[in-house]
Amino acid sequence: EILVTQSPATLSVSPGERATLSCRASQNVSNNLAWYQQKPGQAPRLLIYRASTRATGVPARFSGSGSGTKFTLTISSLQSEDLAIYYCQHYNSWPLYVFGQGTKLDIK
Amino acid sequence: DVQLVESGGGLVQPGGSLRLSCAASGFAFSDFEMNWVRQAPGKGLEWLAYITGSGSATYYADSVKGRFTISRDNAKKSLYLQMNSLRAEDTSLYYCARETRLNHHYAGMDVWGQGTTVTVSS
Repeated sequence: EILVTQSPATLSVSPGERATLSCRASQNVSNNLAWYQQKPGQAPRLLIYRASTRATGVPARFSGSGSGTKFTLTISSLQSEDLAIYYCQHYNSWPLYVFGQGTKLDIK
Repeated sequence: DVQLVESGGGLVQPGGSLRLSCAASGFAFSDFEMNWVRQAPGKGLEWLAYITGSGSATYYADSVKGRFTISRDNAKKSLYLQMNSLRAEDTSLYYCARETRLNHHYAGMDVWGQGTTVTVSS
């Protein structure tokens, strides 16, 4: 089974600053990776699929990059409403999906 | 509005059974593959099960294979998860999620319900 590991576990960033979240796959997953945002008390929300394609309605400050085993979610200018846990998900073994353990993003 | 609403959660004893439902509205339910995903208290997301739009094929995570069964009734626009032989570690918030495609390629789980809570305890 291909696992995905996210880092850091917690990230504290000031409003207006850049946030960079990492997801690493244990084997090559090509660009078969998605990112989700889960705000407190809410269901997850799809942000990015195919490693770098923003889902409908996702603000342009969210961007995804990477391929193979190393992926990054970048929030270019952090806003207070971005407080959330962010999960990566690989689907290289579709439809056997695997989520990472999440990165909690705190606002300084 | 596109919406998924889960129901059927509750308190059940270890070894017991429960059937979760997910009612879909606002979209052509039979055109979409569906999934169940759960989240234990304070923990991350765990994918559990997948079903094709017609219901002809299903896949499961190893953690629930042989105990859980995913099914759907397209006429009722509903998704189900039959859970048997429940264990304490199955205690979680259970979400149903719609899978979407772009040019026949997976494009993420784009619609989620708010979840239904299952507690397995004596």
